[in-house]
Amino acid sequence: ELKVEQNPLFLSMQEGKNYTIYCNYSTTSDRLYWYRQDPGKSLESLFVLLSNGAVKQEGRLMASLDTKARLSTLHITAAVHDLSATYFCAVDVGSQGNLIFGKGTKLSVKP
Amino acid sequence: DADVTQTPRNRITKTGKRIMLECSQTKGHDRMYWYRQDPGLGLRLIYYSFDVKDINKGEISDGYSVSRQAQAKFSLSLESAIPNQTALYFCATSDSARLAGVHEQFFGPGTRLTVL
Repeated sequence: ELKVEQNPLFLSMQEGKNYTIYCNYSTTSDRLYWYRQDPGKSLESLFVLLSNGAVKQEGRLMASLDTKARLSTLHITAAVHDLSATYFCAVDVGSQGNLIFGKGTKLSVKP
Repeated sequence: DADVTQTPRNRITKTGKRIMLECSQTKGHDRMYWYRQDPGLGLRLIYYSFDVKDINKGEISDGYSVSRQAQAKFSLSLESAIPNQTALYFCATSDSARLAGVHEQFFGPGTRLTVL
């Protein structure tokens, strides 16, 4: 059974600080997606990572993928309150394109 | 206008009632999905459809059924609702014609369902 584990599940951090969210998965895959969800809202696509070593950056967020380690990271640089949300990673498990989601990391950025 | 819409956005119903949740999309995507989200459990796949004639069960299909009425429409039914089906339900779409191997999914706004 494929498992996708995110940690931490809850993260409270101060504005201006850096932190990393980890996404580990248990099967071979070279495609991984990160999504953001604001409270009561839908999921918004953040990053699409399609190969080993892929790195994508948008503003204060940077995502990377290491397929050999079965690990993706979402790094937050100099956090601001607007980044407060729940972040999900999702692993693409095959040609059919079904995604398996992690449980999400709820990020709270405090002044 | 939103590319993926869901109706209703909120619904309260009673145990044993039949209920249908609807999803429509204007993205022209061929693949559609239904997920449920429960606090602390992430998203779990209920059913998915790769075209009008293709319906597949997901991880948690028991107690649910679906209908793909057209490429743009995918409905989820609860034949006899029970309280543990109280959850946030999301419809999503993806495009198989996109760059090979890219299965990015695009989500609707969600339907909050409460079964009393």
